[in-house]
Amino acid sequence: GAGVSQSPSNKVTEKGKDVELRCDPISGHTALYWYRQSLGQGLEFLIYFQGNSAPDKSGLPSDRFSAERTGGSVSTLTIQRTQQEDSAVYLCASSLDLRVGNTEAFFGQGTRLTVV
Amino acid sequence: AQSVSQHNHHVILSEAASLELGCNYSYGGTVNLFWYVQYPGQHLQLLLKYFSGDPLVKGIKGFEAEFIKSKFSFNLRKPSVQWSDTAEYFCAVYNQGGKLIFGQGTELSVKP
Repeated sequence: GAGVSQSPSNKVTEKGKDVELRCDPISGHTALYWYRQSLGQGLEFLIYFQGNSAPDKSGLPSDRFSAERTGGSVSTLTIQRTQQEDSAVYLCASSLDLRVGNTEAFFGQGTRLTVV
Repeated sequence: AQSVSQHNHHVILSEAASLELGCNYSYGGTVNLFWYVQYPGQHLQLLLKYFSGDPLVKGIKGFEAEFIKSKFSFNLRKPSVQWSDTAEYFCAVYNQGGKLIFGQGTELSVKP
């Protein structure tokens, strides 16, 4: 596709359920980033992928959060046993390798997660 | 740990006023710097970026930013704001290790 695509756009889930959020990056982009956006909290860095590997997982808030990327393309962010404090907008971005080029990260529209 | 600090959480200006939004980062190595904007109901989009060369960079819609290495700063400026500039502005820093870190954002409200 032309841009970064995230699905679903909205998700309402009951506390304690697991959710999967999907990100389709721009074709050819090697880097992929996940962020959480809460009111007044800015963009909280969660994890990034270079290819299929995630060199730094330190931003994941707890062990209930995990992410994977397959085929150097699609990524899923999984939240197990959701809690109300997980309610936020989850943003995905992709880019070419920022280390080697004058480029930028492109963002998707986000998934708004509401835990009730 | 690397961090990005935006000093102003909410700025209110009248049209035609000048704008300066502060951004400071903590990282001693080589960095690439960005300002993104999020208009109401829209996704984040790039305003401008600094990779190397002239520390004064110009972006879209009349915005510019100056990289001052000695101050670890990358402040965003616009000489005359318009109502359509109402949005949230995010400063971001990329280190060579691969992390792209954002500040808390500054909400700008421009009164017509």
